[in-house]
Amino acid sequence: DQQVKQNSPSLSVQEGRISILNCDYTNSMFDYFLWYKKYPAEGPTFLISISSIKDKNEDGRFTVFLNKSAKHLSLHIVPSQPGDSAVYFCAASARGNTGKLIFGQGTTLQVKP
Amino acid sequence: DVKVTQSSRYLVKRTGEKVFLECVQDMDHENMFWYRQDPGLGLRLIYFSYDVKMKEKGDIPEGYSVSREKKERFSLILESASTNQTSMYLCASSPDRGRRYFGPGTRLTVT
Repeated sequence: DQQVKQNSPSLSVQEGRISILNCDYTNSMFDYFLWYKKYPAEGPTFLISISSIKDKNEDGRFTVFLNKSAKHLSLHIVPSQPGDSAVYFCAASARGNTGKLIFGQGTTLQVKP
Repeated sequence: DVKVTQSSRYLVKRTGEKVFLECVQDMDHENMFWYRQDPGLGLRLIYFSYDVKMKEKGDIPEGYSVSREKKERFSLILESASTNQTSMYLCASSPDRGRRYFGPGTRLTVT
């Protein structure tokens, strides 16, 4: 039972354009969401997060949007750069369940020069 | 900067061997975690710990055990390694419920 789903295994965009990575969840108890980026042979690094009391959070080129009614979040990267090429994981946690950060399957982003 | 280190980047073990994966964090975090990453499955939680000598099962604890004798150190033990435990193992620490700080990972191959 995959509670957090990233339905696109891969995405390819041109440098300078927008990258949009999507994530869907099924558990209505999730109230905190995070995005991580992972390069090959390295551990994931935190990118950006959003609480369910917000619908948008922005940090430089990265913006996360949360649509609670649709149980959907997305990560926008504008403008995309070749160094953004990596695997992106979304993750979610439920209030009162601190150990259970549930990760999606990951989306591999390739940004072409 | 938070630093999480893992004892090995690459390991090759034989079926049936006992395997120890060590993880150390230097930020005095209460929480530590072990995940495995497999293609198409994302990161799955094996075990976690909120305090010294405390452990809780994650989603896939079967075939694994853990030890946390000191706050900064969290060990993952494969009691009898099997080929289906070939994977990337990631240790993480966290000061709170959300953000995890990950180590570089250990690529374990069981032959």
